[in-house]
Amino acid sequence: RKEVEQDPGPFNVPEGATVAFNCTYSNSASQSFFWYRQDCRKEPKLLMSVYSSGNEDGRFTAQLNRASQYISLLIRDSKLSDSATYLCVVNPPTSTSYGKLTFGQGTILTVHP
Amino acid sequence: NAGVTQTPKFQVLKTGQSMTLQCAQDMNHNSMYWYRQDPGMGLRLIYYSASEGTTDKGEVPNGYNVSRLNKREFSLRLESAAPSQTSVYFCASQTGGNQPQHFGDGTRLSIL
Repeated sequence: RKEVEQDPGPFNVPEGATVAFNCTYSNSASQSFFWYRQDCRKEPKLLMSVYSSGNEDGRFTAQLNRASQYISLLIRDSKLSDSATYLCVVNPPTSTSYGKLTFGQGTILTVHP
Repeated sequence: NAGVTQTPKFQVLKTGQSMTLQCAQDMNHNSMYWYRQDPGMGLRLIYYSASEGTTDKGEVPNGYNVSRLNKREFSLRLESAAPSQTSVYFCASQTGGNQPQHFGDGTRLSIL
């Protein structure tokens, strides 16, 4: 089983749609969780951290389910500018892997007019 | 606010040549990382430095060396470039173990 697994997509949605991505992770002792976005041939940029209680930033909502070991990202009212690859990122236990993040392969999202 | 700065942005080398990729961060972060990303693939960790004065191998260290020159700077050296090292290289920094990493905008390296 991969350490971090994502549905690679692609997801093709119209503007204004709501889209959700899921991600599963294998190490139950993982410490912290993030969503990054990466535009074509650009660097990954932090979208949001993911907290146990769930958190929201504008049109974006992230959820963490530790019992089932999955993370989700919900995008509401999709914009053309949301088109990108979304990376699920997990921080393993610091005792075994200080600071080293594990990146999923990414989910490709295309928002069309 | 520069964040993480990588130089050069682009480079073309011939097989067997050597070069050093530079990375500097101005966020006073303790940890720094070097990744490579190949088309259609995820990020793979080459080397990292948890703190000034320490370096450790990542997932794909062969063919590379690193130097943590000071807290700000972390360089990646290719001693004898090979076509298999053609890739986009990203440097990242992080303040502490549970925090997100912040990336530079990459170096696009082609080896002929």
